[in-house]
Amino acid sequence: GDSVTQMEGPVTLSEEAFLTINCTYTATGYPSLFWYVQYPGEGLQLLLKATKADDKGSNKGFEATYRKETTSFHLEKGSVQVSDSAVYFCALRGMDSSYKLIFGSGTRLLVRP
Amino acid sequence: DSGVTQTPKHLITATGQRVTLRCSPRSGDLSVYWYQQSLDQGLQFLIQYYNGEERAKGNILERFSAQQFPDLHSELNLSSLELGDSALYFCASAGQNEGEQYFGPGTRLTVT
Repeated sequence: GDSVTQMEGPVTLSEEAFLTINCTYTATGYPSLFWYVQYPGEGLQLLLKATKADDKGSNKGFEATYRKETTSFHLEKGSVQVSDSAVYFCALRGMDSSYKLIFGSGTRLLVRP
Repeated sequence: DSGVTQTPKHLITATGQRVTLRCSPRSGDLSVYWYQQSLDQGLQFLIQYYNGEERAKGNILERFSAQQFPDLHSELNLSSLELGDSALYFCASAGQNEGEQYFGPGTRLTVT
């Protein structure tokens, strides 16, 4: 079945460092791909999305490109801030009629001043 | 604020008991999804309702059930609770075209 694999965390960076969180997926057809962020004690917030191959989703300085050839959707940010500390989830929405989201295991990011 | 509300925020109960979690979707959204977030299983889809009808089921136990009411709010009922049911339960809503899902703040259930 469909699945999402994310890099293990935690990822610890200094402020203004470059961030990459790897995400690969297995799915039939052309799923939509998402990154969600969960701040401590809160629910999930949609960060960005891409619905077809070569689409680039972007928001708040974060970017991810839908790569069909490598089945990847890596999250990047050029300069992280302390306020970016959170857990990041990669997810796909499959092609079946349920539209349910399938999540990766999450990657915790800790940004130090 | 996503516009999705969930109550209660926290729930502590004993094994064998039954609880009801409530979710109100964003105004105008017809779909409600329930997800469970636990340390060992991660985030897993439980069940989806669309305009009052069950549309899809995921890894939902037989002890769990849900419904969506005419005003579109939804309730997740968990019965014969076990320690392993302790988790964060999220609901999410989506619009008619099933675009992005917007998540509520979650209900943290602790079974003692």
